[in-house]
Amino acid sequence: EIVLTQSPDFQSVTPKEKVTITCRASQSIGNSLHWYQQKPDQSPKLLIKYASQSFSGVPSRFSGSGSGTHFTLTITELEAEDAATYFCLQSSSLPWTFGQGTKLDMK
Amino acid sequence: QLQLQESGPGLVKPSETLSLTCSVFGGSSRNNNYFRGWIRQPPGKGLEWIGSLYHTGSTYYNPSLKSRVTMSADMSKNQFSLKLSSVTAADTAVYYCATVQGDILTGYFDYWGQGMLVTVSS
Repeated sequence: EIVLTQSPDFQSVTPKEKVTITCRASQSIGNSLHWYQQKPDQSPKLLIKYASQSFSGVPSRFSGSGSGTHFTLTITELEAEDAATYFCLQSSSLPWTFGQGTKLDMK
Repeated sequence: QLQLQESGPGLVKPSETLSLTCSVFGGSSRNNNYFRGWIRQPPGKGLEWIGSLYHTGSTYYNPSLKSRVTMSADMSKNQFSLKLSSVTAADTAVYYCATVQGDILTGYFDYWGQGMLVTVSS
C-alpha cells in the first residue's frame, strides 16, 4: 500500500498569504496524484487532477506541481474562504490512498 | 453537473450489514460507461477508499475491507449500492459516494455526494 504523507498537518494563515502544502508518496506514483479541499461538514471538492491540471471552475490561485514521489499544492493570495482541510489522493496502485490532511486555519 | 445523494439507515447494530444507496442525477448521469466509488471518513479523521465499481461489472475493493464489502449497480434506476457486513463500532463514519474519471490505475473522484453519517451502535 502506498502511503501519502502531507506536511504540515496544520498551519495558521492570513489572507493574501501564499501557502504551499506538500504530499510525499512512499513510492513513485507518476502523476496520479489529485488534490481535494474539504470544508467543515461538507464533502471534499476536487481542485487539481494529475498533479497539475486544474479542475473546472477552480480559482486560478490554486495550482499543483510535482511527479514521482514529491508533490505540492500552492495557494497564492489566500482568501478567507480557503480555510479548510486539504487532502491528496493517489490512484497509481490499489488500494487508492489519501494523505492524512492539512488543515489551514485563518488567523 | 452531476449530483449524487446517499441514502440508507443512519444507525446499524453491531454484527449487522450496513446498506447504502447512491442516486445520481443530472449531467450525463445516464452514461452507460460509468465508474463509481465509495469513500468513508470516521468522525474527525481522514478519508479511506472503500472500493470502486466499473460499468463492466468489475469491482475493486480495499483489501482491508474486501471480505465484508459488496458493490453493485442498478442502471435502470441510476443508482449504485454499498453493503458492508459484520459491522463494528470502527465502521462508524460518514460514507460518501462519488463518480470516477479515468481508470482504476490513474483515475480520480470528480463529484461527491454530501455524505451520510452511519453510526454502529446497539
